[in-house]
Amino acid sequence: DSGVTQTPKHLITATGQRVTLRCSPRSGDLSVYWYQQSLDQGLQFLIQYYNGEERAKGNILERFSAQQFPDLHSELNLSSLELGDSALYFCASSVADRLNTGELFFGEGSRLTVL
Amino acid sequence: SQKIEQNSEALNIQEGKTATLTCNYTNYSPAYLQWYRQDPGRGPVFLLLIRENEKEKRKERLKVTFDTTLKQSLFHITASQPADSATYLCALFTYNTDKLIFGTGTRLQVFP
Repeated sequence: DSGVTQTPKHLITATGQRVTLRCSPRSGDLSVYWYQQSLDQGLQFLIQYYNGEERAKGNILERFSAQQFPDLHSELNLSSLELGDSALYFCASSVADRLNTGELFFGEGSRLTVL
Repeated sequence: SQKIEQNSEALNIQEGKTATLTCNYTNYSPAYLQWYRQDPGRGPVFLLLIRENEKEKRKERLKVTFDTTLKQSLFHITASQPADSATYLCALFTYNTDKLIFGTGTRLQVFP
């Protein structure tokens, strides 16, 4: 158990809809990262928050947004969903704002299926 | 363009043998490289980190090498066991991107 909690584990929705994925980082970790994993793309970095502030941005679509709340949990909002958004979405956390010291702790992921 | 390449074909080996997985990269200057294990439908789990100035790192049955001239890391599992069957991901961290970028992973299957 990594200590990172993600909900929901599974989500099935229709094209055009909007969903929210939730992540609680490990106790004491201030950074939260979101990654998308699809079969053909591997783990793609979306966005990082550190202590409530956006810290780094990856290949995140404009239809997607995220935030980190004062209690450090984070939400990833996906809107106007398309079939290609079907993927596993992982949240990870670390202590520091920069990854120059070590590892990421990943949650178990949220599997999104868009029909 | 920047690339991290891992063998997309599964590696099948017999129990007790040494498994060797490869991670090649181009157009990156990594500060360090990490290896993760991922089981189907689960999140990746950190295994080892090796820095740019280190040649080799060991942890129990695991060994990682890092050759910044060849732009390659090798990941070895000695005395492999069926329980080692999983997908193994390499990831690079570079100071100029400040991000951890993952390869697509190699699936290892250890059969009895």
